[in-house]
Amino acid sequence: QAVVTQEPSLTVSPGGTVTLTCGSSTGAVTSGHYPYWFQQKPGQAPRTLIYDTNNRHSWTPARFSGSLLGGKAALTLSGAQPEDEAEYYCYLLYSGVRVFGGGTKLTVL
Amino acid sequence: QVQLVQSGAEVKKPGASVMVACKASGYTFTIDNYFIHWVRQAPGQGLEWMGTINPSGSRIIYAQNFQGRVTMTRDTSTSTIYMELSSLRSEDTAVYYCVRTHGYWGQGTLVTVSS
Repeated sequence: QAVVTQEPSLTVSPGGTVTLTCGSSTGAVTSGHYPYWFQQKPGQAPRTLIYDTNNRHSWTPARFSGSLLGGKAALTLSGAQPEDEAEYYCYLLYSGVRVFGGGTKLTVL
Repeated sequence: QVQLVQSGAEVKKPGASVMVACKASGYTFTIDNYFIHWVRQAPGQGLEWMGTINPSGSRIIYAQNFQGRVTMTRDTSTSTIYMELSSLRSEDTAVYYCVRTHGYWGQGTLVTVSS
């Protein structure tokens, strides 16, 4: 089974920009992996920020954007807010099977 | 608006089975591209994908870790998807979520396995 890798932790200053990445043990991540990005705060259910690489939901703040970067899926946060401190997960599609990354704990400090 | 409402918390003994329901509303349930996925999260752990089913039931895929123990079914008359997990062990204690294509989440169902 493929392994999906994320940075275990990242720190960003308030108002700063940070990019979280999502890599695949099978090679470059492409749009055919249909990457999703989820945000989860303590005690809450996850919520979807980005689906199919770069599509936002109506509830997704405009400061979050999804892309493909350097062979990985990427979630960029531009203008970090204190409320963005959370765990972020990606997942990728492999021939019908979805695999989650281990998550990135993002600290806004 | 798309809503997924899950059944309530369950407490089960080791070796038993549990069935969690996920009732969909706010969209046309029978659109076959709108898969329902099941995801679980053990206490303090990350998210784990368990499998997926489409509304017609023509495509069902289970994660390797759950093959032989999980069954996903659907009832189109009530727009409800079911996930049954058998031979429960303490490590199956987790919150179980249903998630629709494009990332609409249910509220989660806590399943506790304890003797």
